[in-house]
Amino acid sequence: DQQVKQNSPSLSVQEGRISILNCDYTNSMFDYFLWYKKYPAEGPTFLISISSIKDKNEDGRFTVFLNKSAKHLSLHIVPSQPGDSAVYFCAASRALYGNKLVFGAGTILRVKS
Amino acid sequence: DTGVSQDPRHKITKRGQNVTFRCDPISEHNRLYWYRQTLGQGPEFLTYFQNEAQLEKSRLLSDRFSAERPKGSFSTLEIQRTEQGDSAMYLCASSLIALGDSEAFFGQGTRLTVV
Repeated sequence: DQQVKQNSPSLSVQEGRISILNCDYTNSMFDYFLWYKKYPAEGPTFLISISSIKDKNEDGRFTVFLNKSAKHLSLHIVPSQPGDSAVYFCAASRALYGNKLVFGAGTILRVKS
Repeated sequence: DTGVSQDPRHKITKRGQNVTFRCDPISEHNRLYWYRQTLGQGPEFLTYFQNEAQLEKSRLLSDRFSAERPKGSFSTLEIQRTEQGDSAMYLCASSLIALGDSEAFFGQGTRLTVV
């Protein structure tokens, strides 16, 4: 049962443009959502998070949007830079589940210069 | 503190051998998690500790796997009688659970190859 899905295996964007990464979840009990970035042979690096009581959180070039009714969240990166090229994982958790993270399969982002 | 540290970074072992990995979390963090990641997939939860207590184990964690966190500091993950299917990246993460949600910070992982 895949509770967190990232349906786009890869995304290619021109430098300076917006990157939009999408994520869907099925468990309505999740109350916290996170995005991680991962380079090859390294562990995931935390990017940004959002609580289920909010619909938007912004941190510099990164903005996460949450649509609870659609069980959908997205990560916007503006402007995209070549250094953003990596695998991006969406994750969800619930405090009552011990905050353990349930990850999607990831989206490979390539930013072309 | 430089973050979550894992040792070794890489381990190659023969099938049937035992291996042990170590994780040193961020010092003030009370939660410690182990995940496993295989190629093309996101990390999958294995187990977690709050301080020294192991609070949950995934059904992915067979009897050959054991984890400890003595004194609520570093943690070890041992795999006995390794199988080729155990080949994966083993990730450790820590977080500080205080008043609510908290993001988890990951180490660089231990890449296990069973030959």
